[in-house]
Amino acid sequence: DVKVTQSSRYLVKRTGEKVFLECVQDMDHENMFWYRQDPGLGLRLIYFSYDVKMKEKGDIPEGYSVSREKKERFSLILESASTNQTSMYLCASSLLSPYYGYTFGSGTRLTVV
Amino acid sequence: QQQVKQSPQSLIVQKGGISIINCAYENTAFDYFPWYQQFPGKGPALLIAIRPDVSEKKEGRFTISFNKSAKQFSLHIMDSQPGDSATYFCAARGGNEKLTFGTGTRLTIIP
Repeated sequence: DVKVTQSSRYLVKRTGEKVFLECVQDMDHENMFWYRQDPGLGLRLIYFSYDVKMKEKGDIPEGYSVSREKKERFSLILESASTNQTSMYLCASSLLSPYYGYTFGSGTRLTVV
Repeated sequence: QQQVKQSPQSLIVQKGGISIINCAYENTAFDYFPWYQQFPGKGPALLIAIRPDVSEKKEGRFTISFNKSAKQFSLHIMDSQPGDSATYFCAARGGNEKLTFGTGTRLTIIP
């Protein structure tokens, strides 16, 4: 069964900490994405990557960075966590071809205290 | 800027009834319109999708209706069942593979 795996289901971090969220896919997908999900706001794109070492900003990149050193792994980094980054973070991947849906991971619920 | 507007925010439907969720978009460059279903504690999963060259797509009890001139599309769930209770997201894809999502609809099917 194909999968997108997010390393942590729940995380609690302190304000100012550097936080790493890891995502691994086993489908050989070219595209990978990080979204955050907040009630009433839906899913908002933080960053995406269409190839190794390539990245593009999404709609809300401020306070975040990403790393993609291998095709299967896409990391989201919160440089200095703040309470307004408390959210559900979803990783997704897709093929580099039109009309192909995303496969999402189960999410990481991050709480910044 | 909300490029995909979804309504209603929540919906309660009786078992066996028809659930209808609506979305509207502004960007005429969108070329792919998927719907995702999300159960609590899970990530969204692709449910059904449509391209703008067709007006309707049906898969089992799920149908997408697409109105290109009005820039609207909707999800219809026929014979709604308690197992359909979930959050549904519409989305639209631009030319760079990115999906823009609606704000979600929490659907509850009551006996």
